Amino acid sequence: DIQMTQSPSSLSASVGDRVTITCRASQSLTYSLNWYQQKPGKAPNLLIYAASGLQSGVPSRFSGSGSGTDFTLTISSLQPEDFATYYCQQSYSPPWTFGHGTKVEIK
Amino acid sequence: EVQVLESGGGMVQPGGSLRLSCAAGAFTFSNHAMSWVRQAPGKGLEWVSAISGRGDSTYYADFVKGRFTISRDNSKSTVYLQMNSLRAEDTAVYYCAKCDRESLWSSGSWLDPWGQGTLVTVSS
Repeated sequence: DIQMTQSPSSLSASVGDRVTITCRASQSLTYSLNWYQQKPGKAPNLLIYAASGLQSGVPSRFSGSGSGTDFTLTISSLQPEDFATYYCQQSYSPPWTFGHGTKVEIK
Repeated sequence: EVQVLESGGGMVQPGGSLRLSCAAGAFTFSNHAMSWVRQAPGKGLEWVSAISGRGDSTYYADFVKGRFTISRDNSKSTVYLQMNSLRAEDTAVYYCAKCDRESLWSSGSWLDPWGQGTLVTVSS
């Protein structure tokens, strides 16, 4: 199975900060990496698909990059509604696997 | 609006069974694979299973293989998760999600949208 290592596990940031979350796979995924946002008590929401595709309706301050084994989710200017937990997910080969999540908290 | 809605959760004793349902709407159901993902209380997301649009291909996480069965009825736009031999560690919110494509053979699928989830509690 492909292992996903996400870092950091949590971070504190202020509104307006640039935030970067990384995800590393145990083998090459080419571009088969997705990012989801989850707020407390809510279902996850797709942000980025295929490493860098911005899902419709998602603000442009979110961006994804990377290929192979190393991927990055960037929030260019953190907004109050962005405080949440973020997960990466590989769909290169089943079983699909998620990273352990990054909780973004208010500093 | 494309949506999926789970039902069937509840409390069950260890060793028991439960069947979850996920009803879909506002898209051509048979054109999309479907997936189940779970989240134990206070924990992260765990992918559980997926089924192709035609129902001819299924995949499972190792921790449910042999105990859970995913199926679908395209005439009812519904996907199911039959869960047998339940354990305490299966306690979680179970989410249903739509895949972007019909087939599970090609890599690179993504999950959107997700349902609101249904809680399964395994306890004596």
